[in-house]
Amino acid sequence: DVKVTQSSRYLVKRTGEKVFLECVQDMDHENMFWYRQDPGLGLRLIYFSYDVKMKEKGDIPEGYSVSREKKERFSLILESASTNQTSMYLCASSSYENRVLSEKLFFGSGTQLSVL
Amino acid sequence: DQQVKQNSPSLSVQEGRISILNCDYTNSMFDYFLWYKKYPAEGPTFLISISSIKDKNEDGRFTVFLNKSAKHLSLHIVPSQPGDSAVYFCAATPGGYQKVTFGIGTKLQVIP
Repeated sequence: DVKVTQSSRYLVKRTGEKVFLECVQDMDHENMFWYRQDPGLGLRLIYFSYDVKMKEKGDIPEGYSVSREKKERFSLILESASTNQTSMYLCASSSYENRVLSEKLFFGSGTQLSVL
Repeated sequence: DQQVKQNSPSLSVQEGRISILNCDYTNSMFDYFLWYKKYPAEGPTFLISISSIKDKNEDGRFTVFLNKSAKHLSLHIVPSQPGDSAVYFCAATPGGYQKVTFGIGTKLQVIP
C-alpha cells in the first residue's frame, strides 16, 4: 500500500513564524501535491511538483513556498505564518499510468495547523 | 469561481437505503471525474472514477453516473451502511498533466 506520511498531526505556531510542513511518500511517485482543506471551501491546491527540484503554483500559492530536493519528500513552507493560514494541510502523491498523470491521488492524514 | 460544485453540504440516509450524492461542473475540458471519501482525522481516499467516454461505472455498492450534456455526475451507494458515513468529495480533471479540482464535499450520515 502507498503510504504518504506527514510529519506532524497537529501544529501550533505564532504569527510571523516560519513554518515547515514535511511530507514523505514511499511509493516512488513522481508527483506530489499540497492542498489545504477549509470548511465550505473544500480542498484547494497550493503547490505541486512533477519532478525533483520542480514546482508549479496551484490555485492559492500566495504566502507559501515549496521544496522538493528528493523524489520522496515534498515540503511546504510558510515564510511568515498568518492567522488566515490556520487550516488542515493535506499532502498527496500520484504516479503516471501509461505515460499519463494518474488522477488517483494518495493522501496523507493531514496536519492541522493553528496560527495564533 | 467554483468549477466543481457540490450543492448539498450534508445528507442523511437510513441504513440499507440508497444514498445519492450529486456534483455539477462547469469546465467543459474536464475529462475524468473522481469521488473521494474522507473520514475525520484521515486523509481522503480514492473511491471510484469515471472517464468522459463512459456514462456509468460500478464498483461493488458504489456506482457513478455521468451526464455530460448536463455537466452532472452522481454517486449512488446501495445499500448504504453506517461505515459509509463520511465526507465525500467530487473531483474532476482535464487529464494529462492537468491538476485535479475538488468540490467542497458532502457529509453523508447513514443512520442505523
